[in-house]
Amino acid sequence: DTEVTQTPKHLVMGMTNKKSLKCEQHMGHRAMYWYKQKAKKPPELMFVYSYEKLSINESVPSRFSPECPNSSLLNLHLHALQPEDSALYLCASSHGTESYYNEQFFGPGTRLTVL
Amino acid sequence: AQKVTQAQTEISVVEKEDVTLDCVYETRDTTYYLFWYKQPPSGELVFLIRRNSFDEQNEISGRYSWNFQKSTSSFNFTITASQVVDSAVYFCALSDSTGGGNKLTFGTGTQLKVEL
Repeated sequence: DTEVTQTPKHLVMGMTNKKSLKCEQHMGHRAMYWYKQKAKKPPELMFVYSYEKLSINESVPSRFSPECPNSSLLNLHLHALQPEDSALYLCASSHGTESYYNEQFFGPGTRLTVL
Repeated sequence: AQKVTQAQTEISVVEKEDVTLDCVYETRDTTYYLFWYKQPPSGELVFLIRRNSFDEQNEISGRYSWNFQKSTSSFNFTITASQVVDSAVYFCALSDSTGGGNKLTFGTGTQLKVEL
């Protein structure tokens, strides 16, 4: 199974809502990532988890809160978002972060709209 | 600092034409990895190839081929006999020691449109 799954595919939320994005992989990968991608732009790294511990936080606002319950699951909790947070949110996984040759495998993304 | 440049914002070709997507990178490291990803309209980034800095052999996979030249810091991607299904945004990416590993630096992407 070489797949990263993400739910939901689409999400519309108000600025006062709380929602969560979910990501799952069953490839035995030990590193998982959240990216944000605006239209016509490359993905921007938000967070990296390595062996279920947060290893990189790219100065993301606290209204985005990541969680890694186990090595297969990655969540992104959303609270009090702004309209400019509307974007495609991509999850990825790789074998590990000990060396930088590991290709990352991406999920299909969650298209988020904040009203 | 590391950087990836994809100077071609958008390319349009007619089906069966060959097309080359350019990628130029900058890094101070001697060990680094280069990647190409495809992003169709559905949104998922699809991994195409990984190349390390010590392997300058060109690679061919079906209609896809890659030309890595360290002398010009380029890692170009050619699609032979393009098809409509090749229409997508293609990203070149670099991974070096920045951020402790596995922090991909993406280029800005090239939108490829293949028309009938």
